[in-house]
Amino acid sequence: EVQLVESGGGLVQPGGSLRLSCAASGFTFNIYAMSWVRQAPGKGLEWVSPISDSGGSTYYADSVKGRFTISRDNSKNTLYLQMNSLRAEDTAVYYCAKLIGAYSYGYVDYWGQGTLVTVSS
Amino acid sequence: QSVLTQPPSVSGAPGQRVTISCTGSSSNIGAHYDVHWYQQLPGTAPKLLIYANTNRPSGVPDRFSGSKSGTSASLAITGLQAEDEADYYCQSYDSSLGGVMFGGGTKLTVL
Repeated sequence: EVQLVESGGGLVQPGGSLRLSCAASGFTFNIYAMSWVRQAPGKGLEWVSPISDSGGSTYYADSVKGRFTISRDNSKNTLYLQMNSLRAEDTAVYYCAKLIGAYSYGYVDYWGQGTLVTVSS
Repeated sequence: QSVLTQPPSVSGAPGQRVTISCTGSSSNIGAHYDVHWYQQLPGTAPKLLIYANTNRPSGVPDRFSGSKSGTSASLAITGLQAEDEADYYCQSYDSSLGGVMFGGGTKLTVL
């Protein structure tokens, strides 16, 4: 059974940093692209950052470019999202997502349960 | 403002058929990039409903179907049930923006 378990969310002040983790199990992690997708309270889904199976290729939405860094450790079956210079508009539930297809245009076949990030003073 | 436009809401009575549109352009749906659909029940993570325009993952009832034509795609739900009440999102790739995009989402209400 595929499981994606996010952790690391919480309350952080504007300008602060947070690192999200996603522990994956139930599939061969190192052959699938992965992604982070977020959803602000009461809003729709936003594709934040996907990463290729090897970790060698990444993409960032304009809204987070230069502030967020996606990475993965295939030896630990774990996906990460380092979030710096956080803003109020980054407040959202962050979902870890397993992709089918290329990291740049794949679709999500499994989602984690999400972790809430709240940016507020 | 998403490059994929969905109606904010649709509604239907139990047993009826509803459709949800996803309108794009020549840089996404019209450029032959696949469209995928997700269902998000209240308070839960999204779930894959339709992939690659018309395909249902294992376990998704055949009441759900997808289609694509030109610069638009549609999700159809027949035999509407109370448990279908949810938010629905389309997703595709946009070559102008260079990334994956979601539609704004459609809230389905079962009357």
